[in-house]
Amino acid sequence: SAVISQKPSRDICQRGTSLTIQCQVDSQVTMMFWYRQQPGQSLTLIATANQGSEATYESGFVIDKFPISRPNLTFSTLTVSNMSPEDSSIYLCSVETNVVEQFFGPGTRLTVL
Amino acid sequence: GQQLNQSPQSMFIQEGEDVSMNCTSSSIFNTWLWYKQDPGEGPVLLIALYKAGELTSNGRLTAQFGITRKDSFLNISASIPSDVGIYFCAGQAGGTSYGKLTFGQGTILTVHP
Repeated sequence: SAVISQKPSRDICQRGTSLTIQCQVDSQVTMMFWYRQQPGQSLTLIATANQGSEATYESGFVIDKFPISRPNLTFSTLTVSNMSPEDSSIYLCSVETNVVEQFFGPGTRLTVL
Repeated sequence: GQQLNQSPQSMFIQEGEDVSMNCTSSSIFNTWLWYKQDPGEGPVLLIALYKAGELTSNGRLTAQFGITRKDSFLNISASIPSDVGIYFCAGQAGGTSYGKLTFGQGTILTVHP
């Protein structure tokens, strides 16, 4: 498994601002992902964070809204840009180990007013 | 896109009872994963299944990868209060979808002492 930390753990933001969420892993991993979990809902994949290249976004998610960085094999950031109340969600990063198992961080709980 | 139908949506049981939940898909998955999410936490991996027909146990939990590769179930035996939480199934299709998890809607489990 892997130990994953996220910062911040929660935040309350104003409409129109941006928030950058950090994800740190205790070991080098090839694959990192970002998910969104809207209130009372399941998890939806936002994008795959690729080390050294642009992230791969899923349908319905765009780079201008959710820019992602992956500078090395242990760290990634997700920015939620120009936020609106509809962006209020839990944002989770996950990593995949060699064995095709994904482990999740504790999540960042975002409230947009 | 791929969708997973998870049932039941919620369960209210007495301590000591057995629990069963399942997921079905319209398409084939190469890997099935079962997670548990406690309030305020990220999902925790319970069991991973890699081959059609595979039956795997983890303590009181047993999960099976359906022979058609389109379904999976999770059983919890002799439930205890700490089993309370939301259980998610997740499937990974492989190929160009390698690493990308599709999640079921979740089963909310309540255990009465």
